Amino acid sequence: EAGVTQFPSHSVIEKGQTVTLRCDPISGHDNLYWYRRVMGKEIKFLLHFVKESKQDESGMPNNRFLAERTGGTYSTLKVQPAELEDSGVYFCASQRNLNNEQFFGPGTRLTVL
Amino acid sequence: RKEVEQDPGPFNVPEGATVAFNCTYSNSASQSFFWYRQDCRKEPKLLMSVYSSGNEDGRFTAQLNRASQYISLLIRDSKLSDSATYLCVVNINPGTYKYIFGTGTRLKVLA
Repeated sequence: EAGVTQFPSHSVIEKGQTVTLRCDPISGHDNLYWYRRVMGKEIKFLLHFVKESKQDESGMPNNRFLAERTGGTYSTLKVQPAELEDSGVYFCASQRNLNNEQFFGPGTRLTVL
Repeated sequence: RKEVEQDPGPFNVPEGATVAFNCTYSNSASQSFFWYRQDCRKEPKLLMSVYSSGNEDGRFTAQLNRASQYISLLIRDSKLSDSATYLCVVNINPGTYKYIFGTGTRLKVLA
C-alpha cells in the first residue's frame, strides 16, 4: 500500500509570493489532516477534512491559508501571500476512519525569504 | 501552560540501557494517547498506542495514568537504532479528532 505523498518536498519562495502544497492520502482514507511545525516548536494541527468537507479548521492561522480537497481525494494548501513566519514543515496525514492511526506524509519544507 | 508537555532532552544513554520518558497533558477530557517516533527530517511514525491498562510491544512499554494526567514510555535494552525523537500525542474526542503533539524528547543511544 502506497503511503501518504506530498509535493513538493522543499519550496523556497520570497515574501509576498504564493505557494501551493499538495497531499495525496492513502487510497480509501476519508480523513485528511494538515499539520505544521515551525522552527523549535511542536507540530500543530491546521485542519481536518472528511472526504471533501472541512470538519475542523480551527488551527488555520489566518485567511492567507486556503485548503481544498475537491473530489475528496488529494488536497492542496495554498499560502497567499506568504510571510516569513509561514516557514516550517507542513505535514499531511491520512486516516481510514476516526479510530485508526493517522499516517503522516514526508512533509513539505517551506522557506519564505 | 502547554496542552502536552515533554522534556525535550536530549537523553544520551549507552547501548543496553533502560530509558523512560514521561509526558503530561492538561485536558482531562483527552481520550486517546500515542507515542510517535520521528527520525531526523522524516515524518512521524506511530510507535504505539497507549491503553488504560498499559501495553507492551517488545522492548517498549507504554503506560497511562489518568489521575495524574501523564503517559510514559519505557525502552529496555536500548539499541543504536532507537536514536530518534519520541513524540507524545494526545487526541481529545469526540468533537475533534486532531492530534495534539508535545515538542518531542530526543534520545541518543551511544555505542
